[in-house]
Amino acid sequence: SQTIHQWPATLVQPVGSPLSLECTVEGTSNPNLYWYRQAAGRGLQLLFYSVGIGQISSEVPQNLSASRPQDRQFILSSKKLLLSDSGFYLCAWSETENTEAFFGQGTRLTVV
Amino acid sequence: GQNIDQPTEMTATEGAIVQINCTYQTSGFNGLFWYQQHAGEAPTFLSYNVLDGLEEKGRFSSFLSRSKGYSYLLLKELQMKDSASYLCAAMDSNYQLIWGAGTKLIIKP
Repeated sequence: SQTIHQWPATLVQPVGSPLSLECTVEGTSNPNLYWYRQAAGRGLQLLFYSVGIGQISSEVPQNLSASRPQDRQFILSSKKLLLSDSGFYLCAWSETENTEAFFGQGTRLTVV
Repeated sequence: GQNIDQPTEMTATEGAIVQINCTYQTSGFNGLFWYQQHAGEAPTFLSYNVLDGLEEKGRFSSFLSRSKGYSYLLLKELQMKDSASYLCAAMDSNYQLIWGAGTKLIIKP
């Protein structure tokens, strides 16, 4: 069966520090991978998605970047965090572009 | 523009039935998803509709009317563990999901 791992679960970082959130999927090949951010009272915001190694599409211009160094690994990064980067970050995968997505446990990021 | 509307919060009684509505406006349409999200946790997939009609899965059912841009999630025999947020998401012609803000469902004994 397929599983998705996302870590860490919670993170407190100072303004201006770097960020690296990692997500890995097991039990499937060539998944579509996604990074979302969820703000309180608002819908999920798609940040990045990837249909293959090295292929990253950005949906929202921001202080963040994503990379897919391996087929089942997706990394969300920032060189310098801003206060506005605080939020709940979710990694997800799907088999194809029009099938349901399965989410990782999420990372609660607080920038102080 | 693309938009999803669903009620912010609903309250229901344990053992009862509740219907959570969702209306959508998207550029093209490739299906409507419902997810359940408990507080502080990740969303989990509940249902997918792409054709008009009702899809039933145990205590949960989901309905779609493409002509009306409307869907609902029906929860029967409510249990306390059903207290959660329910997220509606419509997929547009580019296979991008447009997400609603979620409906927080409160179940009272």
